[in-house]
Amino acid sequence: DSGVTQTPKHLITATGQRVTLRCSPRSGDLSVYWYQQSLDQGLQFLIQYYNGEERAKGNILERFSAQQFPDLHSELNLSSLELGDSALYFCASSPTSGRASGELFFGEGSRLTVL
Amino acid sequence: EDKVVQSPLSLVVHEGDTVTLNCSYEVTNFRSLLWYKQEKKAPTFLFMLTSSGIEKKSGRLSSILDKKELFSILNITATQTGDSAIYLCAVNSNSGYALNFGKGTSLLVTP
Repeated sequence: DSGVTQTPKHLITATGQRVTLRCSPRSGDLSVYWYQQSLDQGLQFLIQYYNGEERAKGNILERFSAQQFPDLHSELNLSSLELGDSALYFCASSPTSGRASGELFFGEGSRLTVL
Repeated sequence: EDKVVQSPLSLVVHEGDTVTLNCSYEVTNFRSLLWYKQEKKAPTFLFMLTSSGIEKKSGRLSSILDKKELFSILNITATQTGDSAIYLCAVNSNSGYALNFGKGTSLLVTP
């Protein structure tokens, strides 16, 4: 158990809908990262927050957004869902103040299926 | 753009075999290379390598980095069925904030 909690574990929804994925980082970790894992693309970095502020953006679509709250939990919002958004979404946390120089601790992931 | 390429993409071996997984990278301002094991869900950390030529070892697993040739290998000796997993290589650079992952090597160890 990494100490990173993600909910929900599974989610099935229809195209055009909007969903919110939630992540609680390990106690004391200030950085939260969101990754998308699909069969053909591997683990793709979406976005990072550090202590409530957006720190870095990766291959995140405009239909997706995220935020980190004062209690350090984070939410990833996915809207106008398409079939291709079906994937495993991981949240990871780290204690580092900025650049991820070392280990990331991953949650169990949220599996999103868009029908 | 940073690039991390793992090979092979998949591998099937028998218990007791030794396997070598490869990871090559092209990144600007390299900082570290990490190996993760992903069994069912969450990737779990194996090694972090920052210096060339220094082997990291944990039981039957070992890894080494070659910063001149820009690659790393992960060796697993005397494989067991419990080693079946996806092995992910990731690189961190000074110019980025997040780990950049390869697509992984899917290893299946048969009894």
